[in-house]
Amino acid sequence: GAGVSQSPRYKVAKRGQDVALRCDPISGHVSLFWYQQALGQGPEFLTYFQNEAQLDKSGLPSDRFFAERPEGSVSTLKIQRTQQEDSAVYLCASSFGQMNTEAFFGQGTRLTVV
Amino acid sequence: AQKITQTQPGMFVQEKEAVTLDCTYDTSDPSYGLFWYKQPSSGEMIFLIYQGSYDQQNATEGRYSLNFQKARKSANLVISASQLGDSAMYFCAMREGRGNDMRFGAGTRLTVKP
Repeated sequence: GAGVSQSPRYKVAKRGQDVALRCDPISGHVSLFWYQQALGQGPEFLTYFQNEAQLDKSGLPSDRFFAERPEGSVSTLKIQRTQQEDSAVYLCASSFGQMNTEAFFGQGTRLTVV
Repeated sequence: AQKITQTQPGMFVQEKEAVTLDCTYDTSDPSYGLFWYKQPSSGEMIFLIYQGSYDQQNATEGRYSLNFQKARKSANLVISASQLGDSAMYFCAMREGRGNDMRFGAGTRLTVKP
């Protein structure tokens, strides 16, 4: 596709429900990033993939958060037993693998846990 | 540990004036890249400018320039001839050669006054 695509754009979940957020990166981009952005804050790093390998998951806030990218393209961020503090915008970004290449961002998924 | 620091939560500038947004960073990796992104109220993240750690000259892109002071570990964004459409959040980010993931600062909210 022309850009990074995230779905759904908006998600309302009841507390305790599991959710899955999808990211379709730009074709050919080997690097994929997930971020969590609270209102008025900067994007907080969650996890990073190089192709299908999850090279860094140090930002995942708890073991309720899980991300995968099994074929090195589409990625899914799963949150189990959602809690109110999980409410945020989840941003996905992709780039070529080199350090000097910018990341292109999707529009984000706004998750609201009620 | 926080690697990117943006000390100005909010900045105001008069239309047509220049403004500098501060960013300092911390890394022990000699190879790294520095990025600035703009996030309007609509939420999308827009790439503005890139500076590599080995670049001899400061990066420029139209009205954007980067004041890169390597010894001080600072990478300030300069916007010349501010326009009303420049009002947005601005984020500084770093991508290290070793880890290759991308981390962001907390951001600066810029407001351009007519």
